[in-house]
Amino acid sequence: QKEVEQDPGPLSVPEGAIVSLNCTYSNSAFQYFMWYRQYSRKGPELLMYTYSSGNKEDGRFTAQVDKSSKYISLFIRDSQPSDSATYLCAMTGTNTPLVFGKGTRLSVIA
Amino acid sequence: DTAVSQTPKYLVTQMGNDKSIKCEQNLGHDTMYWYKQDSKKFLKIMFSYNNKELIINETVPNRFSPKSPDKAHLNLHINSLELGDSAVYFCASSEGLTQETQYFGPGTRLLVL
Repeated sequence: QKEVEQDPGPLSVPEGAIVSLNCTYSNSAFQYFMWYRQYSRKGPELLMYTYSSGNKEDGRFTAQVDKSSKYISLFIRDSQPSDSATYLCAMTGTNTPLVFGKGTRLSVIA
Repeated sequence: DTAVSQTPKYLVTQMGNDKSIKCEQNLGHDTMYWYKQDSKKFLKIMFSYNNKELIINETVPNRFSPKSPDKAHLNLHINSLELGDSAVYFCASSEGLTQETQYFGPGTRLLVL
């Protein structure tokens, strides 16, 4: 089993839809969970950062972590065409290098 | 001002050549990283330096040698380039040893012919 699993998509949704992106992982040492957004031909940029289990909200974005299930999610409400990008989950722990998922390509159609 | 910058943006070269990629950050961060993103968009860490000292060295061929002249710069030198080295190389930085909040550069697209 790979350390971090993420469905590569592509995922195509109409403008205004709620988008759900998720990752599963196998390493119990992971404590910090991040979501990065990467536009085409650009570097990844940090969207959300969560420590341990729980929810975190930032505008239209909500990150959820369920450590018992080793499952993390990113929800995007009222999706916009400008949200079209690849979304990468990433995770790390004490003395554990940052590991990225393979990314999910999202297209929001106007 | 660009927080993390890389040069060059594009690099096309022949197999067997030696090339370098430079990275600079003006965020005052202590830790810098090199990542490789392959054609399938998988992003994998290669090296990490904290205050000019190597702290992460993943399984990378020893043809790849990072050099950190000061904590604001981390360069990557690649000897005897191979076709499989073609990828996008990203530099990143973070404050202290925290890996959670990393700032990435725009990437260097390397194509080995």
